[in-house]
Formats: sequence, C-alpha cells, structure tokens
Amino acid sequence: AQSVTQLGSHVSVSEGALVLLRCNYSSSVPPYLFWYVQYPNQGLQLLLKYTSAATLVKGINGFEAEFKKSETSFHLTKPSAHMSDAAEYFCAVSDKGGATNKLIFGTGTLLAVQP
Amino acid sequence: KAGVTQTPRYLIKTRGQQVTLSCSPISGHRSVSWYQQTPGQGLQFLFEYFSETQRNKGNFPGRFSGRQFSNSRSEMNVSTLELGDSALYLCASSGGTVNEQFFGPGTRLTVL
Repeated sequence: AQSVTQLGSHVSVSEGALVLLRCNYSSSVPPYLFWYVQYPNQGLQLLLKYTSAATLVKGINGFEAEFKKSETSFHLTKPSAHMSDAAEYFCAVSDKGGATNKLIFGTGTLLAVQP
Repeated sequence: KAGVTQTPRYLIKTRGQQVTLSCSPISGHRSVSWYQQTPGQGLQFLFEYFSETQRNKGNFPGRFSGRQFSNSRSEMNVSTLELGDSALYLCASSGGTVNEQFFGPGTRLTVL
C-alpha cells in the first residue's frame, strides 16, 4: 500500500529564509509524486510533479523538489520565503502506470512566514 | 480553459437529510475524482469516475455514492447525513497520463 509522511505539521520561517518541507513516501511500484498548496477556503493548486523525467523538479512560485529513491524522499524547497507563501502544503503519491488517478495525501504542513 | 467548478460552494444540512454535490471538470477531461477533507482525517479519497464508470472507490460507507454523466460532469450524493460528514468536499479532474489532477474550490458541507 502506498503512503506519504510529512514531517512537521507546522513550520515557521522568516521572510527571505529557506523553506524546507519534508515528505517521505512508501510505494511498492514506481510512483508519481506531487506537491500541492492550499490557501484558506480554496482548493488545491499543483506546485510541481515528479514523473521520472528528472529527479530535480522545478515548479511554480520558485519551488522545487528533488526525488531521492534511496531515501524515499521528495522534499520541497524554496530559497527565499515570501509572505505570500504562507499556506498549507500537501505531498501526494500516485501509482505510475496504474489504472486510476487516485492520490494518497500526506497530512499536510502549515507554513507560516514571519516578517 | 475554465477550471474545475463545484456547486454549491456552501451547504448547511441537518442530520438525516441527504445532499447532492456537483462538479464540472475541465473541458476534455474524462476522469473525475472526489476527496473529503476534514481537520481530523485530512484528505481522503472517495471515488473516481472515468467515462461514466466508477474506476476506484475509497473506504467510505455506502451512504456516499456518485455518478458521472456523458459530458463528464459528476455528482456525489450523501444520504442520511451524520455530524461527521461535515467537511470540505473537493472534486478533481484529470485528462492526462501522469495522474495530474486539477482541483476545484470545493463545497463546504456543514451538518447540524
């Protein structure tokens, strides 16, 4: 069975500091991996996705993530936090090549950005 | 292209009632999935429809059901509402081959 673990339900950084949100996955088959962001009272917006084309994936708003198979990790980073980055972030896994689009989500990390 | 739309955005119901939520996917997308989001359980997969057929189902009671129409629009129904059904219900559509899903804004259901 697939699963995702996000370490740290709350992360606080200062504006301009590095953002690092951690995600570890478990999957018996090659996975697709995703990071989504959710702003209050909104749906989920895709930040980036890993589909095996490249291990370092660049997304929107300056975010990127690196797929590390040996560590079963897909951590999300951004070099310099902006106030507008304050939101909840979800890591998700899906079967690559499976007959379904089902996503398994982590529990989310709420990012606070301090001025 | 218009995004995924969900109606209504907010609903208040009482225990024992039933409710129907609607989702219109991105034009051309044939897959529609539904998720329930609550503070306690997080984001949980309800079911997925593809070309009017349920392709996958999550671990929810039979009170939760859905369907998809020939134009790919989808509805989900919850019967005999319970307080614990209060949640944000998210719909997502997909049209590609890498399981990328595009989410709507959600329907906030409150059960009193």
